Order: sequence, then C-alpha cells, then structure tokens
Amino acid sequence: AQSVTQLDSHVSVSEGTPVLLRCNYSSSYSPSLFWYVQHPNKGLQLLLKYTSAATLVKGINGFEAEFKKSETSFHLTKPSAHMSDAAEYFCVVAPYNQGGKLIFGQGTELSVKP
Amino acid sequence: ETGVTQTPRHLVMGMTNKKSLKCEQHLGHNAMYWYKQSAKKPLELMFVYSLEERVENNSVPSRFSPECPNSSHLFLHLHTLQPEDSALYLCASSQDQGNYGYTFGSGTRLTVV
Repeated sequence: AQSVTQLDSHVSVSEGTPVLLRCNYSSSYSPSLFWYVQHPNKGLQLLLKYTSAATLVKGINGFEAEFKKSETSFHLTKPSAHMSDAAEYFCVVAPYNQGGKLIFGQGTELSVKP
Repeated sequence: ETGVTQTPRHLVMGMTNKKSLKCEQHLGHNAMYWYKQSAKKPLELMFVYSLEERVENNSVPSRFSPECPNSSHLFLHLHTLQPEDSALYLCASSQDQGNYGYTFGSGTRLTVV
C-alpha cells in the first residue's frame, strides 16, 4: 500500500535558522513526490516536485528537498527561515499508475519565531 | 492566482439550503478534483473527473453531487448538509494523471449552521 508519513506534526524554528521538515514514503514503484505549502485560509501551493530526474530538487522561496530511495525519504529543507515561511507543509506522493490520485501526508505546521 | 479559481471564497448555509460551489481552471488541464479539508485531518479526496467523466467517487454521501460540464468547469452541488460538513473545500486540476502535480484553487470555506 502506498503511504506517506510526515514525522513531525509541528516544527518551531527561529528566524534565520535552518528548517528541516521530514517525510517518509512507501510506494511499490518509483513515485512522483511533492511538497505543498498552505498559508492560513489559503489553498495549497506547489513548492517543488520530484519526478525521477535529479534527486536534489530546488523549489520556490529557497526550499529544496532530496529524494533518497534507500531511506524512502523526501525531507524538505531551507538554510534560513523567514517569518513568511510560517505555514502548514504537506508531503505528497503520486503513486505510479494510480490514475492521478495523490496521497497526502498529515501535514507539518511550521512556526517561525522572531 | 494559480489558474484555478473557486467561488465563493466563503459560504454559510443552513442545513436545509441548496447551494453550489464553483471551480474554473484556465490551464488546459484535463482532470479536475474535489478535496475536503477538515480541521486537524488529512485532505480527503472526494471526486475525480478525467476528460469530463467521473472516475472516482470516494464514498462521498449523496448530499454532495458533483458536476463537470466541460474540462474547464467543475461544480459541487450541496443539499441538506450536516454541521460536520463544515470544512475547506479545495478544487484542483492536473494534466493527465497528475504525476507532475496538481494546481489547487484557494478553496471555499463552508460553514453549515
């Protein structure tokens, strides 16, 4: 069965410090993987996507993620947090040949302290 | 704007009302989706339309009725809802099977009173 697990429901960092949001996935075949961000009362915005090209994926707003097949992980990182990064982040897997169904993680709420 | 527009942004309705949510995409995508996002719960896939045909109905109660008149428009008709149906309803679109991701609208915040 395909699944995605975000290991932290809430992460708190100080402004200017690194951000790490962890995600592990389970998929029978090589999946496509995504990170989405949702600001309060807004829809989901695509941050970045992995679709079997380079394993280190760069996204918008300075975020990047590394696909590690051996660890079945796709952690999201940013070198220096900004106050505007405070939001909920979703790790998402699109299993191979599943008719477009996306499987969402439970979400990680990122707080950024001044 | 992402290219997927949802209206209205907010809706308050009584349990006996009938209302509709509208979603419009101008991205040339051929698949559209309805998701429900409740507080502290994962996103729930409700319906999938591919090439204007419903290909997925995820055990959604009949008080929710989708309609996809063409590849650019998607509706969710609501009738005799329950307070537990209060949530953020998100529309999304994709090209083909969505392996390159979805584009989401900003959602309709629905409150059932």
